[in-house]
Amino acid sequence: KNEVEQSPQNLTAQEGEFITINCSYSVGISALHWLQQHPGGGIVSLFMLSSGKKKHGRLIATINIQEKHSSLHITASHPRDSAVYICAVRYQGNLIFGKGTKLSVKP
Amino acid sequence: DSGVTQTPKHLITATGQRVTLRCSPRSGDLSVYWYQQSLDQGLQFLIQYYNGEERAKGNILERFSAQQFPDLHSELNLSSLELGDSALYFCASSASGTGGTKRTEAFFGQGTRLTVV
Repeated sequence: KNEVEQSPQNLTAQEGEFITINCSYSVGISALHWLQQHPGGGIVSLFMLSSGKKKHGRLIATINIQEKHSSLHITASHPRDSAVYICAVRYQGNLIFGKGTKLSVKP
Repeated sequence: DSGVTQTPKHLITATGQRVTLRCSPRSGDLSVYWYQQSLDQGLQFLIQYYNGEERAKGNILERFSAQQFPDLHSELNLSSLELGDSALYFCASSASGTGGTKRTEAFFGQGTRLTVV
């Protein structure tokens, strides 16, 4: 069993839709990261959080430490949001990655 | 721009060869992490250096080695290359590296795409 599970694996949405990507983990963590990987391969760190909620523009990330669960929300989705979104947890100093959620937003 | 620089961006080499990937961390960051992303495995942690010393080891093969130099740049050496080593290799840096109690953000480079033919 993977320590980090993401769902869904693939997601297709229409422009403007509200999107939620989920991440569950099974180990005790010090922080959780949400990363965005562009079609060209580059990785951008979107959020790092250890409790509560963070917001940046149209992106919102939440974490529930007790339930070992985090969500990434995208409001008013746009085709440029199309990417792979990866959840990673910091465990004993290292990052353990989920397999990613491939998001495609259609115009 | 994350501030982390990886070179080269692309590398094509033959089986059995040896290559060196280079990473320059963000200014002031002491920790460098190396990750491998292959199609079937997703992102895998390879190794971490902190201020020149090896700090943590993940799924790194014995054919692979890394080091961090006094100027904090790091190199990942891959030898006796096999077809299965074809992957994206990412470097990330962070300010701290003292284990699970520190909550510091990691910044990723653009990656080096290695193709072994």
